[in-house]
Amino acid sequence: KNQVEQSPQSLIILEGKNCTLQCNYTVSPFSNLRWYKQDTGRGPVSLTIMTFSENTKSNGRYTATLDADTKQSSLHITASQLSDSASYICVVMQNYGGSQGNLIFGKGTKLSVKP
Amino acid sequence: KAGVTQTPRYLIKTRGQQVTLSCSPISGHRSVSWYQQTPGQGLQFLFEYFSETQRNKGNFPGRFSGRQFSNSRSEMNVSTLELGDSALYLCASSGGSPWEQYFGPGTRLTVT
Repeated sequence: KNQVEQSPQSLIILEGKNCTLQCNYTVSPFSNLRWYKQDTGRGPVSLTIMTFSENTKSNGRYTATLDADTKQSSLHITASQLSDSASYICVVMQNYGGSQGNLIFGKGTKLSVKP
Repeated sequence: KAGVTQTPRYLIKTRGQQVTLSCSPISGHRSVSWYQQTPGQGLQFLFEYFSETQRNKGNFPGRFSGRQFSNSRSEMNVSTLELGDSALYLCASSGGSPWEQYFGPGTRLTVT
């Protein structure tokens, strides 16, 4: 069964600290993996997208890693800020060929950054 | 470039009623996808429209339907509302590739 599992479900950290969110998937065939940030009451915003051949990609203080062999991805947040408080959603796209694909969403990790 | 807009932002309906939600994609985008988001299930794919045709469909009952107009604006309709339909409904537009989606702010539907 094609699934995306995220851990932890929720996380509380102090401002300025680093944290790492995990995403394990069983989606096949794999096309790409994306991390979204979703603020409360808002739509998700893309942070990074990674294809099979990429194993690290950064976007400011956000660094995503991908291990296609173990089917694991992580999102590392450096020097957290209060504005990082949000849900982080991992999405994996199945490869159907061409531009179409099936998106499979994780349930997200809710991050709270406290002062 | 204006982003994806959704109307209304908030809606309260009674069980048994029907509801229509609207989504205006980014200018030039021809693909519009709809998602339901609940705390327990996360984001779930409803359907995708491309050039006025439904291209993909998720695993939702027939009470959920949609359509797309020639200007790429899309509407989603839910008939015979149930309490479990209370959710945030998100619309996303793309220029054709599903991995280049841009989400709207969502419509928060509450069914009482």
